[in-house]
Amino acid sequence: QIQLVQSGAEVKKPGASVKVSCKASGYKFATSRINWVRQAPGQGLEWMGWISIADGDTNYAPKIHDRVTMTTRTSTSTAYMELKSLTSDDTAVYYCVREFSNSEGNWFDTWGQGTRVTVSS
Amino acid sequence: QSVLTQPPSVSGAPGQSVTISCTGGSSNIGAGYGVHWYQHLPGTAPKLLVYADTRRPSGVPDRFSGSKSATSASLAISGLQAEDEADYYCQSYDNSLSGPYFGTGTKVTVL
Repeated sequence: QIQLVQSGAEVKKPGASVKVSCKASGYKFATSRINWVRQAPGQGLEWMGWISIADGDTNYAPKIHDRVTMTTRTSTSTAYMELKSLTSDDTAVYYCVREFSNSEGNWFDTWGQGTRVTVSS
Repeated sequence: QSVLTQPPSVSGAPGQSVTISCTGGSSNIGAGYGVHWYQHLPGTAPKLLVYADTRRPSGVPDRFSGSKSATSASLAISGLQAEDEADYYCQSYDNSLSGPYFGTGTKVTVL
């Protein structure tokens, strides 16, 4: 079955960077985009951006576009999300999500288990 | 930022029906983009509940149904069960922000 497995929880100090990995299995990795979504404590779901596996094209949410970098390593079917200059507002659970696409549209059909990132001094 | 507005909470007794609204605008739902719904139980990853306005993935009970009209969409839950207590999010593409965005989220409480 299609699965996304993310790396473990992280604790970082303000100003540091964090890099979360997401290993895909059960489908052809290059056929979909991987999106990243986060949820801060007590808040809703926030879309962060996507990366197209086939050509490496990216689209980042305006709020964080200058601090986030999404990459992939196709040889291991793994996607990465790096967020720099962390503040306490970046404390959240981060999800990688597969975007399914067909003639009816695009939606998020498979989610990783989530990675908790805590930013604290 | 959220471009899709949902009521913060809805509630109903077991067996009753509830409806969650998702209000957008001319750059998302009104532009013809599909609306998708996700169920988020505490401590778990969100789960796709409805896609392309009205379609259900296999395994999702037909108690869940989606609809769309003009610049808004709705998710209806009939025969409410205790296990339906969760947060629900709508999602659509927005062409002014050039990305997929989530609604503000609705907490469903089973009384």
